[in-house]
Amino acid sequence: NAGVTQTPKFRVLKTGQSMTLLCAQDMNHEYMYWYRQDPGMGLRLIHYSVGEGTTAKGEVPDGYNVSRLKKQNFLLGLESAAPSQTSVYFCASGTIAGAYEQYFGPGTRLTVT
Amino acid sequence: DQQVKQNSPSLSVQEGRISILNCDYTNSMFDYFLWYKKYPAEGPTFLISISSIKDKNEDGRFTVFLNKSAKHLSLHIVPSQPGDSAVYFCAANSGGSNYKLTFGKGTLLTVNP
Repeated sequence: NAGVTQTPKFRVLKTGQSMTLLCAQDMNHEYMYWYRQDPGMGLRLIHYSVGEGTTAKGEVPDGYNVSRLKKQNFLLGLESAAPSQTSVYFCASGTIAGAYEQYFGPGTRLTVT
Repeated sequence: DQQVKQNSPSLSVQEGRISILNCDYTNSMFDYFLWYKKYPAEGPTFLISISSIKDKNEDGRFTVFLNKSAKHLSLHIVPSQPGDSAVYFCAANSGGSNYKLTFGKGTLLTVNP
């Protein structure tokens, strides 16, 4: 049982390049989330999904897109990376049967130069 | 508009003493509160939670207190251990079918041997 995994762990992009971050969970959770963590800013929600095929915007969605084609996977895309997107990205999952706890992956450190 | 506030960016305590981390919230719709612990280069891990119908929840060395009238909660760690050194995030949820969490900015706890 790996829990929540994220691919890749590190990435360096040039401004304007695109990339996709992959999140996978093996807990059969209904809900999945993408956050970014910046120094002094805590965890901010980018997008989330309450089920396969559904996504919604969070607090800071601009510049990102997401897809949830399979229940266990949640993809975060950057179409044209900007230096302001340099951050640590965390994926999390949660279950309708739980008491609002979310389970986090190890994070992806992204640098945009 | 910060709905969950952790006003102390850092806290330093001696091993064996009590650590008290504080959290204030402004949204009166919040009725479920969680604490997460985060080590460097790792994802946050769930620590303890409390529902608004309670004023205290205890799990081993960790106790969370909730004062609804003051919109304040605190996490007590007794006794503190060096391994407790981490960033602690307070999070809140408004319950029902809302499975999003609102996080504070975190408090860095350092426990000195």
